[in-house]
Amino acid sequence: GQQLNQSPQSMFIQEGEDVSMNCTSSSIFNTWLWYKQEPGEGPVLLIALYKAGELTSNGRLTAQFGITRKDSFLNISASIPSDVGIYFCAGRFQKLVFGTGTRLLVSP
Amino acid sequence: DGGITQSPKYLFRKEGQNVTLSCEQNLNHDAMYWYRQDPGQGLRLIYYSQIVNDFQKGDIAEGYSVSREKKESFPLTVTSAQKNPTAFYLCASSTAYGYTFGSGTRLTVV
Repeated sequence: GQQLNQSPQSMFIQEGEDVSMNCTSSSIFNTWLWYKQEPGEGPVLLIALYKAGELTSNGRLTAQFGITRKDSFLNISASIPSDVGIYFCAGRFQKLVFGTGTRLLVSP
Repeated sequence: DGGITQSPKYLFRKEGQNVTLSCEQNLNHDAMYWYRQDPGQGLRLIYYSQIVNDFQKGDIAEGYSVSREKKESFPLTVTSAQKNPTAFYLCASSTAYGYTFGSGTRLTVV
């Protein structure tokens, strides 16, 4: 089955730093979604993007739907310890395809 | 509040046994999905259902079975034919705008 290329695989940063992660695909999508998953829980939707070029913010989070429709990025500004978790991108055309996740660790 | 309920949270199975994982939603969503998650990996689609009494195999359907007799329920059976069933299982439902996930069931074969 198809999976998206998500990078980096993991990040260990200091509190207050900004974070950037991205996903790329060989296929085009008409929706990009970004999720956060905490240990032992299901993913929770952070941001949804529905058209190419769209830039959307949710608090300290900003995500963009790439112009080519084959990529998306997520930025987290001024990270805090509760940002710790695994972040997944997901692209949707006829069904949802997930990235392999970025594990974020934040040091106080 | 609307949402998806998965039960049980933890499940232990002996080799050779079938087990059924429950997924119930009260979001009135037509589409429902089952995903498997292994450590350090993304989510892989097992089965999905777009409407009642219809379901389709996903990418890793072998050793699993589902039913969709009611709109709100989509149980997953992990059969003895599944060679490596220990994993975290996630159920989801969707509209055209996004997916909502349950909190998962961790299945361990002992």
